[in-house]
Formats: sequence, C-alpha cells, structure tokens
Amino acid sequence: SQTIHQWPATLVQPVGSPLSLECTVEGTSNPNLYWYRQAAGRGLQLLFYSVGIGQISSEVPQNLSASRPQDRQFILSSKKLLLSDSGFYLCAFRDRSSGNTIYFGEGSWLTVV
Amino acid sequence: AQSVTQLDSQVPVFEEAPVELRCNYSSSVSVYLFWYVQYPNQGLQLLLKYLSGSTLVKGINGFEAEFNKSQTSFHLRKPSVHISDTAEYFCAVSDGLRTYKYIFGTGTRLKVLA
Repeated sequence: SQTIHQWPATLVQPVGSPLSLECTVEGTSNPNLYWYRQAAGRGLQLLFYSVGIGQISSEVPQNLSASRPQDRQFILSSKKLLLSDSGFYLCAFRDRSSGNTIYFGEGSWLTVV
Repeated sequence: AQSVTQLDSQVPVFEEAPVELRCNYSSSVSVYLFWYVQYPNQGLQLLLKYLSGSTLVKGINGFEAEFNKSQTSFHLRKPSVHISDTAEYFCAVSDGLRTYKYIFGTGTRLKVLA
C-alpha cells in the first residue's frame, strides 16, 4: 500500500532563516506530488505541484520554492523565511491507480518568529 | 479556473441531529469532487468522492454527498452526528480533463454539541 511521510512535524524558525520540508512517498511510481499551505481560517492553498522529476509548477508567487530530486521525494524550501510563511504545510500525492484521489501526509507546523 | 465555495465557515449542531455542509463549485465540462475531514493538528482524510456514475455517494463514518450538476453543488450530509464528528471539513474539485490540480474550499468547521 502507498504511504506518505513528511517531516519535520513542527518547526520554529527565526525570520530570515532558511527552510527545508521534506516529503516522501512509498509504494507507488511516478506519482503527482503537491505542497499545500493551510493558514488559520483560510483553507488550503495550493503552492506547488509536480507531475514528474524536475517538473515543478508554481501556483502562487512567493519566497518559497519546491524541488523533486527523485521520483518519490518532494522538498519545500525557502532561502529567507518571512513571518507570513507561518502555517501548516501539507504534502500530498496522487496515484493514478487510486481513482484520481489525492492523499495527504501528516502535516508540518511552521512558526516563524 | 476552477473554484470551490463552502458557504458556511462554522456549523454548530446538537448530537444526533442531522447536518448538511454545503459546497458549490465553478462549472466545468467534467469534474471530480471530494470531501475530506481534518481533525486538529492532523492531515486530511478522504471521506468520499464522486468520479462518475451514481450521483449519491456514500463515504466513511456514515457521511454521504449528492452531486448535482445543474446546481453545481456537492453537499455533504449525515443523518445523525456524533461528538466525534467535530472537525473541519473540506470540499475539493479536480478538473476531470487534466486531473492534476486539486482546488479546495476554505473549509467548514463542524462543532457537535452535547
């Protein structure tokens, strides 16, 4: 069965520091991968999605970036965090054999101080 | 571009009462529709989905939803709620033609009262 993991689960970072959130998927090949951000009371905002290695589509201009160095690895990064980057970050994947459904990881809480 | 509207940000309801959470989406040639539930500090869990076929979809935990193409709606219902149903519920839509972008609504916080 497919599983998805993301880490770290919680992170407190000072303004201006770098960020790296990692997500890995097991039990599937060539999945679509997604990063969402959930800010308090604002639902889920699609940040990036990837349909293959090295293929990243950005949905919202911001100081975040994403990379997919391997088929089942998706990384969310920032060179310099802003206070507004605080939120709950969710990685998700879509397995084409699962009826076009996306499945989410456990989430990562980022607090920028 | 696809969009999803969840009209109610919060819905309080007493235990064992019925509930309906509303979801409307922008029209498209074909869509896939989903409801997810999120418990505090957790990721999202799939409740149910509509891909094709019967417009009444049954999911986990006694929830069901009905796809209404003419009204572009996909409302979630449960005939009798429990305290444990207290959570945030998200409606999502995917463009059936491309199926790699999933757009979510802003969520509805369901609070079940004793």
